[in-house]
Amino acid sequence: QSALTQPASVSGSPGQSITISCTGTSSDVGSYNLVSWYQQHPGKAPKLMIYEGSKRPSGVSNRFSGSKSGNTASLTISGLQAEDEADYYCCSYAGSSTYVVFGGGTKLTVL
Amino acid sequence: EVQLVESGGVVVQPGGSLRLSCAASGFTFDDYAMHWVRQAPGKGLEWVSLISWDGGSTYYADSVKGRFTISRDNSKNSLYLQMNSLRAEDTALYYCAKDKYSGYDYGNYVFDYWGQGTLVTVSS
Repeated sequence: QSALTQPASVSGSPGQSITISCTGTSSDVGSYNLVSWYQQHPGKAPKLMIYEGSKRPSGVSNRFSGSKSGNTASLTISGLQAEDEADYYCCSYAGSSTYVVFGGGTKLTVL
Repeated sequence: EVQLVESGGVVVQPGGSLRLSCAASGFTFDDYAMHWVRQAPGKGLEWVSLISWDGGSTYYADSVKGRFTISRDNSKNSLYLQMNSLRAEDTALYYCAKDKYSGYDYGNYVFDYWGQGTLVTVSS
């Protein structure tokens, strides 16, 4: 069982917006503004999409945005495109003994 | 262009040892901390280990502590993972990942570049 809880799957039609939640605890997501999100296409390496909760690396589309409320972080993808179909993982710093935890991943299907 | 190329993954028996390598290019290797992250077949991501930019500090997940050792050779732009006392549950694709922050600012565990991974299978 993963430390952070994500829905196993979400889906949406092209052009729509979807949100993937990532629920942790006051020891990780709730205590630090250090949640990151990774996109992984089948057979490929993960790609950083969001870091420090809401920052986008250079080259990542502004259709991707991140936020946090309490112990839950969220990734929103607007204007869904077929190429967004992938697995998405959240990740949070968890302090000086556990260090870092991942969510179990969410499979996004673009209908 | 940042490139990370892992190697060394093979089939090994339970209790065996293995050394993974990661060759880095396209960035100033000795400015950045580096990580190993693994993914069991069909499963999610699991952070394994971190080494600081100068090799002076290392950190491990509880699941590998005492069995795995991370190291680096900045003169060769290379990262390593020595894996001992391997178990079936160590079977995974092992990724080398670069930390986003340089120098002493590592520790936020943000992985901005990943290799393609090397597969380790522990089986008799």
